[in-house]
Formats: sequence, structure tokens, C-alpha cells
Amino acid sequence: LAKTTQPVSMDSYEGQEVNITCSHNNIATNDYITWYQQFPSQGPRFIIQGYKTKVTNEVASLFIPADRKSSTLSLPRVSLSDTAVYYCLVGRSNDYKLSFGAGTTVTVRA
Amino acid sequence: KAGVTQTPRYLIKTRGQQVTLSCSPISGHRSVSWYQQTPGQGLQFLFEYFSETQRNKGNFPGRFSGRQFSNSRSEMNVSTLELGDSALYLCASSLLAGSTSTDTQYFGPGTRLTVL
Repeated sequence: LAKTTQPVSMDSYEGQEVNITCSHNNIATNDYITWYQQFPSQGPRFIIQGYKTKVTNEVASLFIPADRKSSTLSLPRVSLSDTAVYYCLVGRSNDYKLSFGAGTTVTVRA
Repeated sequence: KAGVTQTPRYLIKTRGQQVTLSCSPISGHRSVSWYQQTPGQGLQFLFEYFSETQRNKGNFPGRFSGRQFSNSRSEMNVSTLELGDSALYLCASSLLAGSTSTDTQYFGPGTRLTVL
């Protein structure tokens, strides 16, 4: 299981772009990178998943450099409702079920 | 398509009692995983069931057990409750078990268990 390191917390303001970088130096060849979002007292929600380069969906973008030792989740023009904990997971499906890590608490202010 | 449902949403028990939590996965999903989330320990994996068989197990004592039925619905049981068992218990379902690296887990809203 690839260990991940994320910032503990980040603050932002409405309308700004938020970038959360996750380090995963020992990522394996077959590992994917997945991000989840969790609001208080709710289950985590899948945001985005990627293997290399850039992935974009209606919610976020995921940037993965060529060496894949880190990844950056980009949330464009955040709103107050984006205040949540964001988890970076690396591994195959049956690996990341073991540990979500501490996540990054993103606080968006008006 | 209905999401993952968990019942009950809230539960209060006393030490020594036992509790059973229920999870209904997304229709068609055959894998169900259970997690415990506490402020101090974060989100920790309990176990995973696929086709009525336990496929993976986390590092929890034997007081924590589970099962899965033929319709993929799952239950987890905690016996001899301790104060430290107070947590949000989350269930997640996915289409397949283990082997697909792109398989996404979909979480339910959780059951908030309070042990007094």
C-alpha cells in the first residue's frame, strides 16, 4: 500500500481555485490515484481518479506528473459548500480499502 | 439509481450490549465494505464481503463481525460494546471485489453509534 502525505488543512475564499497536493513516493506501476470528499457525518464521496497526466470531470481536475510520485487535485472556483475533508488514496481497489489517511480539511470562507 | 442505504442512522447503546447494523448496496453491486470512523483514528477498514464471503479483514478484534446475504445486503455486528466503539460506521459498495484497480467505492451515510 502506497503511503500518502497530504497537508492537514487549507483555507480559501469563495471563487478561488484550490489545489491540494498529495505525495506518494512509493506508488506502484499498477496503482491508480483516487480522491474522495467527505462532509461531516456523511460518507466519503468519489471525486476523481487518474493514472497519469491530467483527468478532468465536472467537479475537479487531477494533475499527475510523469514520475507519478505526487498528484494535485484542483477545485476550480470553490464555494462555501466545498468545505470538507479531501482524501487522497493510492493503490488498487483492494489496497485502498485499508487506509484513507487523515485527509486535508479545506475551509472555504466568504 | 438508489445509493447505498444504512440503517439505523443513529443508535445509542450501553456498554456490554451488542448491536447489529445493516447496509443495502447499490443495485448490482456485489462487494460491501465496512469502515469505522472516529475523530482520533480516522477512517479504518473493518472488512469486505463479496458474494457472501469475507474477502478482506482489517485489524479489529473478534467482537466485530459481519455477514453478507445472497441479495448482497450486509450486516455487521459488534458484541460486548465498549465506550471506544462509539463511532460513525460506514458501509461502501462497489461493483467488483479487489481485482479491478479502477473500481470505485460508493459510501452510505453511515450509522452513528454512541456507547454509554
